[in-house]
Amino acid sequence: AQSVTQLDSHVSVSEGTPVLLRCNYSSSYSPSLFWYVQHPNKGLQLLLKYTSAATLVKGINGFEAEFKKSETSFHLTKPSAHMSDAAEYFCVGKSGGTSYGKLTFGQGTILTVHP
Amino acid sequence: DSGVTQTPKHLITATGQRVTLRCSPRSGDLSVYWYQQSLDQGLQFLIQYYNGEERAKGNILERFSAQQFPDLHSELNLSSLELGDSALYFCASSGATGGPWAEAFFGQGTRLTVV
Repeated sequence: AQSVTQLDSHVSVSEGTPVLLRCNYSSSYSPSLFWYVQHPNKGLQLLLKYTSAATLVKGINGFEAEFKKSETSFHLTKPSAHMSDAAEYFCVGKSGGTSYGKLTFGQGTILTVHP
Repeated sequence: DSGVTQTPKHLITATGQRVTLRCSPRSGDLSVYWYQQSLDQGLQFLIQYYNGEERAKGNILERFSAQQFPDLHSELNLSSLELGDSALYFCASSGATGGPWAEAFFGQGTRLTVV
């Protein structure tokens, strides 16, 4: 069975400083991993996905994530936070190795950005 | 716009009533997922359908049921509603192509308020 754990429920940064949102996974299979962002009262939007083609994945809005098999991690980073980055972020795993695999969500990390 | 359409956007109903939430997936997507998001429970997986068949079941109450129709749209039926069922209900769809790395696209959600 697959599980996804986001290590921080809240992260607070100042505008212009780096962002690190941590995610660990466990999976019997080579995982499919995604990061989604949810702004208040909005649906979830895909930030980036790991497709096994490259361990460093670049996403939208300057975010990137690195897949580290040895650490079973898929942490999300951004060099410089923007006020508009304030939102809730979800790390998601897809199990089963198929296109219809079950999605497993982490608990979510709320990112606060201070001026 | 994710291409996933959920109706209605808002729904207010009384306890004990029954409601139906509708989801139209992206064109060509065979998988439909339903999630419930509330402040106290976070994002909870309810159920998943693939091409008309139930694929996975999460924390879905017996008072709730869902189905996916031949045209691939899905409906989530909630009955004997309780105050605690008030939440944002999300539908997501995922493609038949793209394999295990096919991401899910989320609708904007239906906000259900039970009074």
